[in-house]
Parts: sequence; C-alpha cells; structure tokens
Amino acid sequence: EPEVTQTPSHQVTQMGQEVILRCVPISNHLYFYWYRQILGQKVEFLVSFYNNEISEKSEIFDDQFSVERPDGSNFTLKIRSTKLEDSAMYFCASSEVVYTDTQYFGPGTRLTVL
Amino acid sequence: AQTVTQSQPEMSVQEAETVTLSCTYDTSESDYYLFWYKQPPSRQMILVIRQEAYKQQNATENRFSVNFQKAAKSFSLKISDSQLGDAAMYFCAYRRGETSGSRLTFGEGTQLTVNP
Repeated sequence: EPEVTQTPSHQVTQMGQEVILRCVPISNHLYFYWYRQILGQKVEFLVSFYNNEISEKSEIFDDQFSVERPDGSNFTLKIRSTKLEDSAMYFCASSEVVYTDTQYFGPGTRLTVL
Repeated sequence: AQTVTQSQPEMSVQEAETVTLSCTYDTSESDYYLFWYKQPPSRQMILVIRQEAYKQQNATENRFSVNFQKAAKSFSLKISDSQLGDAAMYFCAYRRGETSGSRLTFGEGTQLTVNP
C-alpha cells in the first residue's frame, strides 16, 4: 500500500540553525501539507501546497518557514533560523485532488532544538 | 473559525469490551468531513474512519463505527471488541468540504488505554 515517507525520523539542531525536513508524498497525490505537534498538544496545520504554490497557510507559518517541491517526488519544509519553541513533531501529509480527498500522514520527523 | 473539542483527555476499556470516544465541533458550514485518526506510541497518524456530513448513514470500518449527530454537531467513535493494539491517542478532525485541499482542524485528543 502506498504511503507517505519522511526523513529524517529525528533531527537535533542548535538554536539559530537552518533545518530542512523532507517528505515523499504518495505518488498520485497532488496536495501536500505540513502539520506540527508540540509534545502533549494537538496537531496544528502549518501549510498546504498545490501546483507548486502555497494554497493555504496558518498564522504559525511565518517568514522563517518555507516549503518547496524541488523535484517530482520530494516536498520539503525549511525552517531558516530555528527557535527553542520549534521543537515538535512535524508531519507531512498528502491527498488526491478530489472533492472527497482524505489526507494520509507520514510517520513524522521529531525536531529537537537545543 | 471551526473548532473541534474532545472533552475526554483519557479513557480506559477492558479488552473485548466496547468504548465510545466523544467529539463535538463547531462550524457554520453545511458541507464538511469528519475524521478519526489514531496515534500510537510511534506517533504516526493513522486514519481510522471518515464521515461525510451529507451522508445520514453512520460510517463503519470493521470494529470502528461513528455516531454522527449533525444537528448536535457531535461525532463520537465507538470501538467494539477492544484489542490491546487499539491503545493510542485518538484525534477527531474536521475539514470543510467546499473545496479540495482544505486544512484539517484537530481536537485535543483522547488517550485510550486498553486493559488486559
């Protein structure tokens, strides 16, 4: 069964450093998403991406965040200058472009900012 | 803005018994979708079941079923014949239906423990 994959599974970085989280969505899906979950809290939407541009973003997704689809398979989330409060689990998801689309999630990347 | 509320932070059930997890939501939309996702200790988000708001019939997936009360804006998950592998955090989620690619809005989650 096709699945969303994410790398790395765990990333440790120093405050102020740039990190890139990578995702490979399900191959026939064209909508891509990033969510984050701070430990012990609910899952929060960050951004959705379609046709090589951001289709929706939340108030969390400020200028330090960016997304990109650098090739035909990868979808990345970049955090330019990490802060302690960016420590969280980051989930990538993808869905088909149909009215009844369901989002399928990857296993997540745990980001730890020291 | 849409909100999703799960009022039970923790629930427990005996193996083979039935448990119901509650979820309420607030929306002014008439067309939307509701989901239950399961998050085991591995923290992967796994889709359990989905419900289209325009469908009156409650969705079922094997041992999992929902009680969708549109007027009351309630969407509970019933797990029958609970198994040890059902132990996880369960999240209720909402998505508006007027367009594809809409964000999911999640509730706070309910931690389910299954006792042998």
